[in-house]
Amino acid sequence: EVQLLESGGGLEQPGGSLRLSCVASGFTVSSYGMSWLRQAPGKGLEWVSAINGGRTYYADSVKGRFTISRDNSKNTVYLQMNSLRVEDTAKYFCAKEAGDHSYGTNWGQGALVTVSS
Amino acid sequence: DIQTTQSPSSLSASVGERVTITCRASENIGNSLAWYQQRPGKGPKLLVCAASSLESGVPSRFSGRGYGTEFSLTISSLQPDDLATYYCQQYKNGWTFGQGTKLEIK
Repeated sequence: EVQLLESGGGLEQPGGSLRLSCVASGFTVSSYGMSWLRQAPGKGLEWVSAINGGRTYYADSVKGRFTISRDNSKNTVYLQMNSLRVEDTAKYFCAKEAGDHSYGTNWGQGALVTVSS
Repeated sequence: DIQTTQSPSSLSASVGERVTITCRASENIGNSLAWYQQRPGKGPKLLVCAASSLESGVPSRFSGRGYGTEFSLTISSLQPDDLATYYCQQYKNGWTFGQGTKLEIK
């Protein structure tokens, strides 16, 4: 059974950093594209970043501030978030992609990130 | 960027009723559209991909249709378990989501 478990969320001040982790089970992250998405309180879904093979992709809103990476030995995907802004406040989900960055076949429960002074 | 517009934003219906949610893309996306169900406090669950292909394990009362710019998700007989917010997502060019349809049971 495919499972994704996010962790690392919390309260951080503007300008600070957090690292989210997404531990996968039931499949090998190195064999699939993986995405991070977010959902601001009471709002819809926004794609944030993806990693597929050796390539990484970012939404314009986080480019230069967030970095996605993968540790195959731990079957884990990370999202390093630097220079955090109030508008980054959201629940962050990781998702396993179907082929070719098409859609998310499986999603985690999410990790809440709050950026506030 | 391709925009996706969902309607209605909220919907209240009775158990057993037929419910339809629509999604419109700002340009031709072929069949590159997925539908998700998100229950309160949970991550989204994939229901439909390629506009009309039902994901394994999803009840047959759910169905998707459409091509190009106009799409719909139908629940043929609403059940209490269907209380959720539903999102469409285009994946023709990047990922963009509709604003969501919050479905309530009368």
